[in-house]
Amino acid sequence: GIQVEQSPPDLILQEGANSTLRCNFSDSVNNLQWFHQNPWGQLINLFYIPSGTKQNGRLSATTVATERYSLLYISSSQTTDSGVYFCAVQGSGAGSYQLTFGKGTKLSVIP
Amino acid sequence: EAGVAQSPRYKIIEKRQSVAFWCNPISGHATLYWYQQILGQGPKLLIQFQNNGVVDDSQLPKDRFSAERLKGVDSTLKIQPAKLEDSAVYLCASSYSINRVLNSPLHFGNGTRLTVT
Repeated sequence: GIQVEQSPPDLILQEGANSTLRCNFSDSVNNLQWFHQNPWGQLINLFYIPSGTKQNGRLSATTVATERYSLLYISSSQTTDSGVYFCAVQGSGAGSYQLTFGKGTKLSVIP
Repeated sequence: EAGVAQSPRYKIIEKRQSVAFWCNPISGHATLYWYQQILGQGPKLLIQFQNNGVVDDSQLPKDRFSAERLKGVDSTLKIQPAKLEDSAVYLCASSYSINRVLNSPLHFGNGTRLTVT
């Protein structure tokens, strides 16, 4: 099946700093989504972004499908941004129904 | 719009006992998913329904896990008998997608934290 690698695995930021999280995938994809899992375990969908660039407030994401990676940008980080960020992809191969998650990037924003 | 509803929030059982989880997806969402998330890992798909039919259950341990989605709405996931390694958070998600290609976002419920002792 498709492999998803996220980097870095852990990230500590001072409040107000910017960061870039990366997601690499091993095959062509139909679908790519970014999620934030807050410290209480709730998974929130941030972006549905199989290609191109999207922005939502302080967050933006870019997927370059031809080069098999996606980036999540967090600007002016806040303590509420803490948690784990997951990238999930659906491969475009035959029989690829499921969304495969990476291991996540754990972000800690300190005041 | 109401989100994905799951119950219970927490469950503690002894090994070899049985347990069931319930999920009500977002209204109008055709596709429903059950994921297992072990501490420190990303969610792993157990089973995916489209309306009331199974699309993918390749990672469901069928000797002990079962799931159904009656009438294409609510779903129940059951474990019988439970093992220690089943301790995890069980997440239900839904999406509007009605095709094989997931062309809409996935929305998750709050999950059920299962502890098997």
